[in-house]
Amino acid sequence: GNSVTQMEGPVTLSEEAFLTINCTYTATGYPSLFWYVQYPGEGLQLLLKATKADDKGSNKGFEATYRKETTSFHLEKGSVQVSDSAVYFCALFSGGYNKLIFGAGTRLAVHP
Amino acid sequence: DVKVTQSSRYLVKRTGEKVFLECVQDMDHENMFWYRQDPGLGLRLIYFSYDVKMKEKGDIPEGYSVSREKKERFSLILESASTNQTSMYLCASSFFRQGKINEQFFGPGTRLTVL
Repeated sequence: GNSVTQMEGPVTLSEEAFLTINCTYTATGYPSLFWYVQYPGEGLQLLLKATKADDKGSNKGFEATYRKETTSFHLEKGSVQVSDSAVYFCALFSGGYNKLIFGAGTRLAVHP
Repeated sequence: DVKVTQSSRYLVKRTGEKVFLECVQDMDHENMFWYRQDPGLGLRLIYFSYDVKMKEKGDIPEGYSVSREKKERFSLILESASTNQTSMYLCASSFFRQGKINEQFFGPGTRLTVL
């Protein structure tokens, strides 16, 4: 079946460091892919999305490119801030009614 | 502003109790979802509803039921709570527009502890 695999956390970085969080997927066809972010004490928010191969989603300095050949959707940011500390979830859209399949989540901690 | 609210942020119940978790959205969304979030497992879909009185099982429906009597409200029911249902429960909602990928909006979550 469809699944999403994310790199295990926590990821600990200093402010202004480069961030990569790996995400790979298994799916039939060509799913849409998403990154969600969960700040402490809050629900999930959509961070960015890509709906077809080679699309690049971007938002708040984060980027991810839909790579069909490697079935990946890695999240990157050139310079992280303390305020980026959160849990990041990769997800794919599967089937009707907007059902999402989530990865396990990766916790990011950014220190000053 | 888009809003999904959940009735409680924290809840403590005893084994065997019947538990109701309520979710309300004010966006006139057709779809509503209940997930549970556990460390290392991400979010797993329990049930979803695509219309009033309509429901579909998700990936882990055992031990849960749901109710959707009004479009804006989606309730998750634990008929007889057990300790393995201790978790964070997240509600979400979205439009259903054919052929489009519709963003899901999440509530803040309810952390349920079953003793």
